[in-house]
Amino acid sequence: KNEVEQSPQNLTAQEGEFITINCSYSVGISALHWLQQHPGGGIVSLFMLSSGKKKHGRLIATINIQEKHSSLHITASHPRDSAVYICAVEERADKLIFGTGTRLQVFP
Amino acid sequence: KAGVTQTPRYLIKTRGQQVTLSCSPISGHRSVSWYQQTPGQGLQFLFEYFSETQRNKGNFPGRFSGRQFSNSRSEMNVSTLELGDSALYLCASSLDRIGGNTIYFGEGSWLTVV
Repeated sequence: KNEVEQSPQNLTAQEGEFITINCSYSVGISALHWLQQHPGGGIVSLFMLSSGKKKHGRLIATINIQEKHSSLHITASHPRDSAVYICAVEERADKLIFGTGTRLQVFP
Repeated sequence: KAGVTQTPRYLIKTRGQQVTLSCSPISGHRSVSWYQQTPGQGLQFLFEYFSETQRNKGNFPGRFSGRQFSNSRSEMNVSTLELGDSALYLCASSLDRIGGNTIYFGEGSWLTVV
């Protein structure tokens, strides 16, 4: 069993829909990162959080340390949000463990 | 402010050869970490360098090595290349150690081993 599990693996949405991507982990962590990877490989860091909730534009990330669970929400989704979203946890202060990613496609 | 720069972007090598990849972090960042991404294994942590010292290493054979220079630029080397080493190699930099800091990724180096 992977230490970091994401669901769903694939997600298709219509423009404007509210989207939720989930991340569950089985190890103790100091922080969790949400990353976005577009075709071509480049990765952008969306959030780094260790408790509570963060919001940036249409993106919201939450984490529940006790339940070992985090969610990434996209409000009013847009085709440009189409990408792979990756959850990564800091098991130790200097090592990241990655989820397998969620491939999101948003259609106009 | 320039982002994380990786060179080369694409390269093809033959089994048994070695390869060196370069990473220039964002100015002022002292930590550089390296990752391998393959379709089968996803993203995996290779190692992190901070202040010219390797701080941690992932579960990769000794053929994978790296170093960091005094200007924080980093190189990783893979010797005796195998077909399975074909992957996207990403480096990332952060202001301080990875822990609790935002990490900034480069565009990656696509390595194909034939």
